[in-house]
Amino acid sequence: EPEVTQTPSHQVTQMGQEVILRCVPISNHLYFYWYRQILGQKVEFLVSFYNNEISEKSEIFDDQFSVERPDGSNFTLKIRSTKLEDSAMYFCASTGQRNTEAFFGQGTRLTVV
Amino acid sequence: ELKVEQNPLFLSMQEGKNYTIYCNYSTTSDRLYWYRQDPGKSLESLFVLLSNGAVKQEGRLMASLDTKARLSTLHITAAVHDLSATYFCASDGQNFVFGPGTRLSVLP
Repeated sequence: EPEVTQTPSHQVTQMGQEVILRCVPISNHLYFYWYRQILGQKVEFLVSFYNNEISEKSEIFDDQFSVERPDGSNFTLKIRSTKLEDSAMYFCASTGQRNTEAFFGQGTRLTVV
Repeated sequence: ELKVEQNPLFLSMQEGKNYTIYCNYSTTSDRLYWYRQDPGKSLESLFVLLSNGAVKQEGRLMASLDTKARLSTLHITAAVHDLSATYFCASDGQNFVFGPGTRLSVLP
């Protein structure tokens, strides 16, 4: 069964360092998303991506964040200078069409120390 | 701004009992999604409700959608311990917006 895969599963980084979280969406999907979930809290939308550009982004997705689809299969989220409050679980999701069921990856737990 | 609310936020129930989780949303969308999350795990799609009056059932869970009332319900019948998890509803405006989740504990 096709699935969204994310790497790494867990990343520990020092405050101020750059991190790149990687996602491989389901192969024929066209819409891609990043969400984050601070431990035990709400699932928060970060950004959506379609046709090689950002469709929408939330207030959380400031200049420290960027997304890229570098090679037609990977979908990455970069945080340029991590802060302690960036510690969270980051989920990638993809859908085949707009406003259909989203399939989520297993997440990357980011810990900023 | 699209808002999605759920209640209750915490639910502790005994095995064999029935209960309903409510999801209210502010958009005029016809679509509503339910997800399950086990601790430390990802979000697993449970139900996709695509129109007013839609009802879907899977095992002991049944979800329904009333777009006029902007309300979806997730009904649990004869709960078992394996249903213990956090349940999220999500609506879509431009993107999926999740409710705060309902943490369900089913006690023996």
